[in-house]
Amino acid sequence: AQSVTQLGSHVSVSEGALVLLRCNYSSSVPPYLFWYVQYPNQGLQLLLKYTSAATLVKGINGFEAEFKKSETSFHLTKPSAHMSDAAEYFCAVRRTGANNLFFGTGTRLTVIP
Amino acid sequence: NAGVTQTPKFQVLKTGQSMTLQCAQDMNHEYMSWYRQDPGMGLRLIHYSVGAGITDQGEVPNGYNVSRSTTEDFPLRLLSAAPSQTSVYFCASSYSTIGAGELFFGEGSRLTVL
Repeated sequence: AQSVTQLGSHVSVSEGALVLLRCNYSSSVPPYLFWYVQYPNQGLQLLLKYTSAATLVKGINGFEAEFKKSETSFHLTKPSAHMSDAAEYFCAVRRTGANNLFFGTGTRLTVIP
Repeated sequence: NAGVTQTPKFQVLKTGQSMTLQCAQDMNHEYMSWYRQDPGMGLRLIHYSVGAGITDQGEVPNGYNVSRSTTEDFPLRLLSAAPSQTSVYFCASSYSTIGAGELFFGEGSRLTVL
């Protein structure tokens, strides 16, 4: 079954520090990969997505992710954390030719002033 | 820009009651879906539709029904509510039924079953 694994249900960083949220997928064929962010009491909104056009994908709010086929990873990074980045982040995958997105269990990011 | 609209935002039910969560989108998207979100479990797919008149089951369909009579609407029905259905429910739509099309989410409906 197509799945993603997010390592670390909670991550804390200091304001201004590097943000690294991990996502690994299980598939022999590179799928479509997505990162979503959820602010408290809101729906999910797209940060970025991988569509095979480029391995380094830039998203909104200064986030980016790098697709590494050899590591089956799609980790999300941001060079300098801001207080407004505090939220829950979800990695999601859609297998090539399939309809549905499947989500990881999420990582809650806390930013410490 | 309304996007995906869900109603109600909050609902409390007693065990055994039935109800319908409404979802409407104004983006002419063919694909629509329902997820439930539970702590530590991420989002799990309940049902989905790739067009009017077409629905299919997701990962956790038991206890839920859906229909898709129009492109815009995709209601989710709880037939006989159980405490295990206490959750936050999200409706989402996409312009593409396959490939790189991302999902657009509603703001969620928080359901408590007593």
